[in-house]
Amino acid sequence: GQNIDQPTEMTATEGAIVQINCTYQTSGFNGLFWYQQHAGEAPTFLSYNVLDGLEEKGRFSSFLSRSKGYSYLLLKELQMKDSASYLCAVRVGRRQNFVFGPGTRLSVLP
Amino acid sequence: SQTIHQWPATLVQPVGSPLSLECTVEGTSNPNLYWYRQAAGRGLQLLFYSVGIGQISSEVPQNLSASRPQDRQFILSSKKLLLSDSGFYLCAWSEYKNTEAFFGQGTRLTVV
Repeated sequence: GQNIDQPTEMTATEGAIVQINCTYQTSGFNGLFWYQQHAGEAPTFLSYNVLDGLEEKGRFSSFLSRSKGYSYLLLKELQMKDSASYLCAVRVGRRQNFVFGPGTRLSVLP
Repeated sequence: SQTIHQWPATLVQPVGSPLSLECTVEGTSNPNLYWYRQAAGRGLQLLFYSVGIGQISSEVPQNLSASRPQDRQFILSSKKLLLSDSGFYLCAWSEYKNTEAFFGQGTRLTVV
């Protein structure tokens, strides 16, 4: 089976740094993806890791350890507009489907 | 560039009525296509995926069906809606492997 776990909610202060963790146990692995989803909207792609290590894209970075089944999304210099849900997803199997975690709702406070 | 269109954005339907949600992709060929449902405050549940015309795989037994009549068209249907079918439905596409999925704007379905 497929299992992806994330914290349900997190709170952080504007200007701070926050790390959102994701652990996964899946049959097969073809990459780990992070998405941002504002309330009532569709998810938008943030980052992608297929090899171990850190990928940096501006204020957002994502890390992957395949041996540990672990990833995190790091958000720096938090802004109010970063308040959203962050979804971790793993692409799995021969059929290349995306399995999503439950999402982490981040609230950025002034 | 590639774009994905999904409609309608919102829909209120009575119990027992039929459903048809449509999704089209432009700017690519032979994409993988997906239908997801998201209950309030929850993650995305994969309902159907398709790797080609007429090829549909269902992930969860349910009151819904999907069809892919053309390469870049994906339709989600139901003959008789249930209250439990309410939710946020998302269509998505991706290349075959090693790339991200792109989502349509979503359809908020309320069954009353």
